[in-house]
Amino acid sequence: EAQVTQNPRYLITVTGKKLTVTCSQNMNHEYMSWYRQDPGLGLRQIYYSMNVEVTDKGDVPEGYKVSRKEKRNFPLILESPSPNQTSLYFCASSSILADEQFFGPGTRLTVL
Amino acid sequence: SQQGEEDPQALSIQEGENATMNCSYKTSINNLQWYRQNSGRGLVHLILIRSNEREKHSGRLRVTLDTSKKSSSLLITASRAADTASYFCATVPTAGGTSYGKLTFGQGTILTVHP
Repeated sequence: EAQVTQNPRYLITVTGKKLTVTCSQNMNHEYMSWYRQDPGLGLRQIYYSMNVEVTDKGDVPEGYKVSRKEKRNFPLILESPSPNQTSLYFCASSSILADEQFFGPGTRLTVL
Repeated sequence: SQQGEEDPQALSIQEGENATMNCSYKTSINNLQWYRQNSGRGLVHLILIRSNEREKHSGRLRVTLDTSKKSSSLLITASRAADTASYFCATVPTAGGTSYGKLTFGQGTILTVHP
């Protein structure tokens, strides 16, 4: 089944404790992206990747890191999480940028 | 700031009625996409309209695009209670610009369809 998977789905952590949210797609898509969703703000893009080893900042990249070492995986790293990073996070992929995005199920992160 | 702005923020209608949502954007686009989200779950792609298209249909969905006004509308005809969800527009910028690669979502319209 074609899908985007994210892990974990739910995470409660404390300020400053490094964490990684994984994202994987099995559709051989070139484009992958991370978004955060906050009430009243819609979805905001954090980072995106046009292909392996090619990443770039979205609209809200501060406090996040990404890597794209393999085509299928695009992990989101929070080196030192803070409470303002409490949010619902989505990973998405598409064959190319100008195509429909396939979304993962979301990761609900709470930073205490 | 957000590229796509949606209007209205919330819409409440009865089953069988039509629902219209609007999206405005600011810069040149390659295409505009509409997505649906059920209650905090992942977004599902509904329809994509390219910058050289003016209207597109998919089932009960009709999307229009006016590039001169930088706006789009999504019409859901004969709505059903199951259409209750949040609807988002997203814009893909034209290739070659500084923002190429970024996909920008609007804040969404919350649609409630009463049985």
